[in-house]
Amino acid sequence: SQQGEEDPQALSIQEGENATMNCSYKTSINNLQWYRQNSGRGLVHLILIRSNEREKHSGRLRVTLDTSKKSSSLLITASRAADTASYFCATGAGGYQKVTFGTGTKLQVIP
Amino acid sequence: DGGITQSPKYLFRKEGQNVTLSCEQNLNHDAMYWYRQDPGQGLRLIYYSQIVNDFQKGDIAEGYSVSREKKESFPLTVTSAQKNPTAFYLCASSVLSGATINEQFFGPGTRLTVL
Repeated sequence: SQQGEEDPQALSIQEGENATMNCSYKTSINNLQWYRQNSGRGLVHLILIRSNEREKHSGRLRVTLDTSKKSSSLLITASRAADTASYFCATGAGGYQKVTFGTGTKLQVIP
Repeated sequence: DGGITQSPKYLFRKEGQNVTLSCEQNLNHDAMYWYRQDPGQGLRLIYYSQIVNDFQKGDIAEGYSVSREKKESFPLTVTSAQKNPTAFYLCASSVLSGATINEQFFGPGTRLTVL
């Protein structure tokens, strides 16, 4: 079963706007990661946030984590057409290198 | 040029045939993974390996087999027992560092179609 559920499933915005995607999960985690996938390609790691962190930034990306609500959000500021892709959250738990991926948010940025 | 490669990019199989998907990495990573992705869906874990000659079943291992004879290589065989094998297959690798969950590096994927 998949641990994470992203919301919304699809998002369409104009270039320059901000995009926010949310991820909810069910069990305790060690960390949460966000990945990006361009159509028909492999995934690319964007950012990792540990369970004892609340917010993390990387360039135009901002990730928050609320372990009490078992949720995370990914904010992409000043979006570009090149940001068009699917975005997945992945949760890591336990003492082994296994992560569980969510169902993804498909983002379309219109030029 | 370090990375993780998968071959072939597209693969067509007749029903009843076994096929093997290749995954090679030169990142010196200990852990390797195989995922299956269906259209519009997330990734589901098939098998993973943390060390040579050892591997564990993931969430959907039935109808698949793997081997890990070399650190660099983690081939996946889709057997005739897999009832619905048409999908996009992704291989990944990561560093092992104790209990820390690390980022995974993905290959470009193999799209398998059963005719």
